[in-house]
Amino acid sequence: DGGITQSPKYLFRKEGQNVTLSCEQNLNHDAMYWYRQDPGQGLRLIYYSQIVNDFQKGDIAEGYSVSREKKESFPLTVTSAQKNPTAFYLCASSSGLAGQETQYFGPGTRLLVL
Amino acid sequence: QKEVEQNSGPLSVPEGAIASLNCTYSDRGSQSFFWYRQYSGKSPELIMFIYSNGDKEDGRFTAQLNKASQYVSLLIRDSQPSDSATYLCAVNSYNQGGKLIFGQGTELSVKP
Repeated sequence: DGGITQSPKYLFRKEGQNVTLSCEQNLNHDAMYWYRQDPGQGLRLIYYSQIVNDFQKGDIAEGYSVSREKKESFPLTVTSAQKNPTAFYLCASSSGLAGQETQYFGPGTRLLVL
Repeated sequence: QKEVEQNSGPLSVPEGAIASLNCTYSDRGSQSFFWYRQYSGKSPELIMFIYSNGDKEDGRFTAQLNKASQYVSLLIRDSQPSDSATYLCAVNSYNQGGKLIFGQGTELSVKP
C-alpha cells in the first residue's frame, strides 16, 4: 500500500526533553511538510522540504528542527525551546511544490506534555 | 485580514439537505484550491480540488470557484450523518512560493 506513516500515534514529553516524530512516505513524492494543528484551528506550517538535504522554515518554525537525509523520511524534532508543544502534528507529502500538486496527509501524532 | 477565511460554524443541516460551505481568500495570484474533510481526531483527507472558474462536480460534491470575487465553495447534496466533520479550505499562495494556506475549517453537523 502506498501512503504516509507517522509514529508514534501518541507521544508524551517531559519538561526540558527533546522528542522526535517520525514521518515516512512510499509515494515517491519529492516534497514533504510538517503542520501543527491546535484545537479548533486550521493547519500551520512548521517546516517543508522540496528535495533531499534541503528544507525551509514555515510560519512557526521556532522550537522545531527537521532533517531530510532520505527522500522517504522527514523527521521532526520538538525541542525544549518549544514552550507550548501540545498539539496534533501532521506530516504531508506532494509530488512537488509548483502549486497544483495535492498534499496527502499521514494519520498524525498527538503530542502531550506531562 | 486572514489569508484564507471560513465560517467556523457549526453549520447544522438536516439529513438529505444541501450543505453549503464557503471560503474566501486574499491572494489574487492563487491558482489552486482544495477542500479537505477532517473527522474528529483524524487527519485531513482530500475531497476535491479546483483550478478553473466555474463548477466541478464529483458525486454528491460540487466545488465552485469565482476568482474575480476570490471565493470558493463546496456544496454537499443529499447530506448524510457521515458527512459530519470539519471541512478545511486550502489555497495555494502564489506570493508564498506555492505553499498551501489553510482556513480554520467549518464544522458541519448533519442531523438525522
